[in-house]
Amino acid sequence: DGGITQSPKYLFRKEGQNVTLSCEQNLNHDAMYWYRQDPGQGLRLIYYSQIVNDFQKGDIAEGYSVSREKKESFPLTVTSAQKNPTAFYLCASSPSRADTQYFGPGTRLTVL
Amino acid sequence: GQSLEQPSEVTAVEGAIVQINCTYQTSGFYGLSWYQQHDGGAPTFLSYNALDGLEETGRFSSFLSRSDSYGYLLLQELQMKDSASYFCAVRGNNAGNMLTFGGGTRLMVKP
Repeated sequence: DGGITQSPKYLFRKEGQNVTLSCEQNLNHDAMYWYRQDPGQGLRLIYYSQIVNDFQKGDIAEGYSVSREKKESFPLTVTSAQKNPTAFYLCASSPSRADTQYFGPGTRLTVL
Repeated sequence: GQSLEQPSEVTAVEGAIVQINCTYQTSGFYGLSWYQQHDGGAPTFLSYNALDGLEETGRFSSFLSRSDSYGYLLLQELQMKDSASYFCAVRGNNAGNMLTFGGGTRLMVKP
């Protein structure tokens, strides 16, 4: 089955620790995205990548970093510089810059 | 920049019709999309409008008026499983032509 996987589903970290969220897709999509969602809010774009070895900052990139070494993978690191990291993180992919994005199940990060 | 406005909450009864409105501001316009998200779940794509008019997909329809910077999602024959949050998203001439999402409308369907 084709799709997007994110792991883990729930993640707990102590304040000041970096944490990496995994995102893998087997849809053969060129573009991948990371969004942050806070309770009762919409999705805000953190980073996006339209091609391997290239990525761009979204609207709220501060305190986050990404890499895109393989087409299938787009991991997100939440660094200690992110002031309020507790949130629901969603990864998505699409064929090039399509308006139809396919989302993974999300990772709920709680920083204690 | 880009911004979207949609009602925060809508309530309707099972079997009824409900309309969720979305107004947007954007420099340049490529299209308006709608996504559904159940509590704790991932958003799923519902529909896309690039041109004015109505697009129908089963019980769901989406409408766009580019001159009014306005669209809506119409849900017919509401079912309990339609209780979810609905997001409109616009793609315009922002950096990278990325989607910008609205804050979402929480739909509660009552028996």
